[in-house]
Amino acid sequence: GDSVTQMEGPVTLSEEAFLTINCTYTATGYPSLFWYVQYPGEGLQLLLKATKADDKGSNKGFEATYRKETTSFHLEKGSVQVSDSAVYFCALRTGRRALTFGSGTRLQVQP
Amino acid sequence: DGGITQSPKYLFRKEGQNVTLSCEQNLNHDAMYWYRQDPGQGLRLIYYSQIVNDFQKGDIAEGYSVSREKKESFPLTVTSAQKNPTAFYLCASSIDLRELNTEAFFGQGTRLTVV
Repeated sequence: GDSVTQMEGPVTLSEEAFLTINCTYTATGYPSLFWYVQYPGEGLQLLLKATKADDKGSNKGFEATYRKETTSFHLEKGSVQVSDSAVYFCALRTGRRALTFGSGTRLQVQP
Repeated sequence: DGGITQSPKYLFRKEGQNVTLSCEQNLNHDAMYWYRQDPGQGLRLIYYSQIVNDFQKGDIAEGYSVSREKKESFPLTVTSAQKNPTAFYLCASSIDLRELNTEAFFGQGTRLTVV
């Protein structure tokens, strides 16, 4: 079945540091890939997505590139802010199925 | 504003009681979903529905039940058969499961505590 593996957190960075959160996947078929963000006590918000190989999703300074050859979709940001502190979820969807999520990575940004 | 409304935000129940979590959407989406979130385990799919009067079990359906009598509504009942019901429950919707590559939109969640 489909599965998503994310790096374990928490990831602790200083403000303005470079962020990478690793995500790899296993899927039957050709998935669409997503990053969601969850702030404390809230639901999930879509951060970005990519639907085919070599696509780059981007939003609010975050980027992720769909790498079919390495089955990866790593999230990056050049300069994090305190307000980026949240839990980040990588997810995939194949065919007519519901989203499958990774376990989430907590990011803590210190001033 | 269009969106997904879950109520209540916090819910407390005694062990052995059934409880129903509400989820309403005004996005005109056909597909709706229920996920459970536990610390360190990500989101796990409980049930989903592609259309009114139809729903399918997800990965952890045991101890839960749903109904889909209206397009806008997809309530989840946590029954006394659910052995560990304390969790954060998230409802979501998407345009149509047949629309490939589309994302899901989430409500704000309901935190259920069973004592």
